[in-house]
Amino acid sequence: AQSVSQHNHHVILSEAASLELGCNYSYGGTVNLFWYVQYPGQHLQLLLKYFSGDPLVKGIKGFEAEFIKSKFSFNLRKPSVQWSDTAEYFCAVNARGGADGLTFGKGTHLIIQP
Amino acid sequence: DGGITQSPKYLFRKEGQNVTLSCEQNLNHDAMYWYRQDPGQGLRLIYYSQIVNDFQKGDIAEGYSVSREKKESFPLTVTSAQKNPTAFYLCASSIGGVFANEQFFGPGTRLTVL
Repeated sequence: AQSVSQHNHHVILSEAASLELGCNYSYGGTVNLFWYVQYPGQHLQLLLKYFSGDPLVKGIKGFEAEFIKSKFSFNLRKPSVQWSDTAEYFCAVNARGGADGLTFGKGTHLIIQP
Repeated sequence: DGGITQSPKYLFRKEGQNVTLSCEQNLNHDAMYWYRQDPGQGLRLIYYSQIVNDFQKGDIAEGYSVSREKKESFPLTVTSAQKNPTAFYLCASSIGGVFANEQFFGPGTRLTVL
C-alpha cells in the first residue's frame, strides 16, 4: 500500500524567507506526485505535479518541487515566501496506471508572519 | 462556469441517522472521488468511481455507501454504522482513463453528528 509522509506539521516563517517542505512516499512502482494547497476558506487546488521527464517541476505562484527517485522524495520549495502563502499544503501520490484515488500526507500548516 | 458543487456546506444530524451528501460536476469528467478530511490527518479516500454504474472502495469505506447512476453525480451516504462521522467531506473529479490525472476538488461539506 502507498503511504506519504510529510515531516513538518506546522511551519512558521517570516516574509521573504525561503521555504522547503519535505515529502517522502513509499511505493515500489512508478508514481505520479502532486502538491495541493488549501488556502483559508478556499477549495483544495493543485500547486504542481510530476508525471515524468524533468524531475524539477514548476508550479503556480513561484513554487517548485524536485522528484528524487532514489530518496522517494518530492520536496516543495519557494525561494521567498509571502504572507499570502499562509495555507495548508498536502503532498499526494497516485500509482500510475489508472484513475485510482490519491494517497495524501497529513499536511503541513504554513504560517507566514509579515 | 465549470466546476464541482457540494451541498450543503454545513450539515447537522442526530446520531443514528443516515445522511446523504451531494456532489455534482459539470466538467464532463469520468472519474469521481470522495475523501474525508480530519484535523492533522490529511485526506483519506472513502470511495471512487471511474465510470458510471461502477465504484470501488477506498481506504476507509466502512460505514459509507455511494451510487453513480449519472456521470455528473456521485452522492455519498454516511450511515449509522460509521463510528466517527463528524468530519469535512471533499468530493473530487478527474478526466479518468488509463493514466492518472489531476483531481479537481469541490468546496466540501462539514458534517457534524450530534
